[in-house]
Amino acid sequence: EAQVTQNPRYLITVTGKKLTVTCSQNMNHEYMSWYRQDPGLGLRQIYYSMNVEVTDKGDVPEGYKVSRKEKRNFPLILESPSPNQTSLYFCASSATGRKKTQYFGPGTRLLVL
Amino acid sequence: RKEVEQDPGPFNVPEGATVAFNCTYSNSASQSFFWYRQDCRKEPKLLMSVYSSGNEDGRFTAQLNRASQYISLLIRDSKLSDSATYLCVVTVATDSWGKFQFGAGTQVVVTP
Repeated sequence: EAQVTQNPRYLITVTGKKLTVTCSQNMNHEYMSWYRQDPGLGLRQIYYSMNVEVTDKGDVPEGYKVSRKEKRNFPLILESPSPNQTSLYFCASSATGRKKTQYFGPGTRLLVL
Repeated sequence: RKEVEQDPGPFNVPEGATVAFNCTYSNSASQSFFWYRQDCRKEPKLLMSVYSSGNEDGRFTAQLNRASQYISLLIRDSKLSDSATYLCVVTVATDSWGKFQFGAGTQVVVTP
């Protein structure tokens, strides 16, 4: 089954404790992206990757890191999480091309205390 | 000012009725436009792309007005299952199609 998976789905952590949210897709997509969703603000793009070893900043990259060492995986790293990073995070992937459909993972709910 | 703005609603629609709502975007260089559907904080799913000449997919019709910088979505013969939040999505700048901007969504509630 074609899908985007994210782990963990739910996470409660404390300020400053490094964490990684994994994202994996099995559709051989070149493009992958991370978003956060907050009430009233919609989805905001954190980082995206056009292909392996190619990443770029979205609108809200501060406090986040990403890497794209393999085509299927695109982990999101919070080196020192803060309470303002409490949010719902979505990973997405698509084939190349601006009109291509983005397929989203199920989301990761993060609470930073 | 937000790059992509939507009326948050909710739009309360009787079953079988028609509902329409718009999304405005601020960047005149925006290239591609989409409507996504999101159910109750689950993952967004593509509803339809929006083409310059307008396009239809069953009961859903999307229009693009570049002069006034808005796109619209019309839902005919609303079903209970159409209750969801509809997200307007825009790509910006020809040299970085990878950047997507989402509106905050328009909530539609279809009532029996």
